[in-house]
Amino acid sequence: KNQVEQSPQSLIILEGKNCTLQCNYTVSPFSNLRWYKQDTGRGPVSLTIMTFSENTKSNGRYTATLDADTKQSSLHITASQLSDSASYICASYPGGSYIPTFGRGTSLIVHP
Amino acid sequence: GAGVSQSPSNKVTEKGKDVELRCDPISGHTALYWYRQRLGQGLEFLIYFQGNSAPDKSGLPSDRFSAERTGESVSTLTIQRTQQEDSAVYLCASSPTSRETQYFGPGTRLLVL
Repeated sequence: KNQVEQSPQSLIILEGKNCTLQCNYTVSPFSNLRWYKQDTGRGPVSLTIMTFSENTKSNGRYTATLDADTKQSSLHITASQLSDSASYICASYPGGSYIPTFGRGTSLIVHP
Repeated sequence: GAGVSQSPSNKVTEKGKDVELRCDPISGHTALYWYRQRLGQGLEFLIYFQGNSAPDKSGLPSDRFSAERTGESVSTLTIQRTQQEDSAVYLCASSPTSRETQYFGPGTRLLVL
């Protein structure tokens, strides 16, 4: 069964600090993995898309890593800002399918 | 250009009533998805439309749920005889093709009393 597990469930950090969010997936066969940011009351917005051959991909202060051997991904946020407060969702897309499996998300709160 | 829009933003209904949710995808996007997001849960796939092909309805939780899409335009998700467990945020997403980035709408928050 395809599954995506995220940790921690929630995280509180001070503005300016860095943080790392984790995602473990068991989707097979693997096609790509995506990180989304979902602000309260809004739909998810894509941050990064990583395929099997990509280890690291950056989007501004967001850096995603992928280890296809251990089936783990992380999202690192550098120099956090208040606007980074949101839910961060990991989704794995299986090969040959257009239906992704989503994790429950990590709720990040950045305090001033 | 305009993003994906959904209406209504919020819907409160009584148990047993029917509801209809609307999604306007980005113009030119052939793929359209409906998802359900329950509180504290991950997004659940409901149904997928690709152009004029037969939709993939494999995620619909019961026969009370149905959806339609005319060509590559508006889609409606209908829930008949609503139950309290139907309370959730219903998200619509569209993409240029099935394997490209999905663009999500803001969702419809459904509360069944």
